[in-house]
Amino acid sequence: DTGVSQDPRHKITKRGQNVTFRCDPISEHNRLYWYRQTLGQGPEFLTYFQNEAQLEKSRLLSDRFSAERPKGSFSTLEIQRTEQGDSAMYLCASSLDSGANVLTFGAGSRLTVL
Amino acid sequence: TQLLEQSPQFLSIQEGENLTVYCNSSSVFSSLQWYRQEPGEGPVLLVTVVTGGEVKKLKRLTFQFGDARKDSSLHITAAQPGDTGLYLCAGVHNYGQNFVFGPGTRLSVLP
Repeated sequence: DTGVSQDPRHKITKRGQNVTFRCDPISEHNRLYWYRQTLGQGPEFLTYFQNEAQLEKSRLLSDRFSAERPKGSFSTLEIQRTEQGDSAMYLCASSLDSGANVLTFGAGSRLTVL
Repeated sequence: TQLLEQSPQFLSIQEGENLTVYCNSSSVFSSLQWYRQEPGEGPVLLVTVVTGGEVKKLKRLTFQFGDARKDSSLHITAAQPGDTGLYLCAGVHNYGQNFVFGPGTRLSVLP
């Protein structure tokens, strides 16, 4: 198992463009989380899935943000009409639905909006 | 709203020194985790504490969960340059809900 994979690792885009990030979790993990992290801060929760069901969304997830996990495996996070304030590291994590509930993070996708 | 506070925000020490960093909240957590994050990478789990008053040791690292399960500390003995990184605490209120992260303590250990 290669762990949690995120793609792309870096994305530079112009304001107003749409971007999509992909996350491939650890194969047997049924939970998948998206977080956003800005410089000097801890990760901020965006949303999480249990299998294909999106169970919780943060208020941070505006209408321009949408996440999917159609088959309960990989997930995508799309940001429409990007703004400069969207510049951040977008982290994906997965976990197994168990008492321990340990998060395994990917390396992140860094977004820069010009 | 920052549910978890961490202190200090920054810490720069010499190799061989001891240090303690803190994670505090007004909320009760069912469990709390500590992660270490290096630049350009995702956080990596160090430990999970579940029981109030619990103490866990991981080589030179000692983690303690407060009796009321609202706070935690991480103590590092004889710090090494390899300990440099961002130390994050994360709490979960109830089984199955999302993890709330603190802002982190950025540690720099100078050789």
